[in-house]
Amino acid sequence: KAGVTQTPRYLIKTRGQQVTLSCSPISGHRSVSWYQQTPGQGLQFLFEYFSETQRNKGNFPGRFSGRQFSNSRSEMNVSTLELGDSALYLCASRQLQENTEAFFGQGTRLTVV
Amino acid sequence: GIQVEQSPPDLILQEGANSTLRCNFSDSVNNLQWFHQNPWGQLINLFYIPSGTKQNGRLSATTVATERYSLLYISSSQTTDSGVYFCAVGRGSTLGRLYFGRGTQLTVWP
Repeated sequence: KAGVTQTPRYLIKTRGQQVTLSCSPISGHRSVSWYQQTPGQGLQFLFEYFSETQRNKGNFPGRFSGRQFSNSRSEMNVSTLELGDSALYLCASRQLQENTEAFFGQGTRLTVV
Repeated sequence: GIQVEQSPPDLILQEGANSTLRCNFSDSVNNLQWFHQNPWGQLINLFYIPSGTKQNGRLSATTVATERYSLLYISSSQTTDSGVYFCAVGRGSTLGRLYFGRGTQLTVWP
């Protein structure tokens, strides 16, 4: 069974640009969550999608957005990139919405210059 | 949100030594996971353990939910155990959201 797949693995963008990251969950998993990891703030929750609906949102500005498709694949978008957006972005999938084990992808390392 | 505190923040061991990592959390939870982050950044699942005790080879974990803590035991450490260990918790009211601790950086020397 394939794991959680995130693309691309590495990305370099310029301030002011926008970026889209993709996450394909484990087959049969319907919940996808996104997390940002930085040395200063640690692992922080961005948002969670379940059945194409955003069910939960962390404390991030509106420049961070996401969506989920009918096949459970999810994308997150960051507009007007800032230097502080440089981070490892991790996606997690789970079979049900809560109280089940989450599995993480390899992450996308975004560098904003 | 739920506060998660991990201790110690750093741990340096000689190969073959045993260690205990602790995770304290501030509220009742019904989801608790331990992860090992590999050098490439991926979080590798170690245990899903909202309560009770589990063992997997040299690793074992215990969660005492009523006292709001979990312990991860690593026996006979190997250099490949090096890395950051994270504890993450969740509860029903926050749906699938996980709250992470700051991690324990483990370094095992040969």
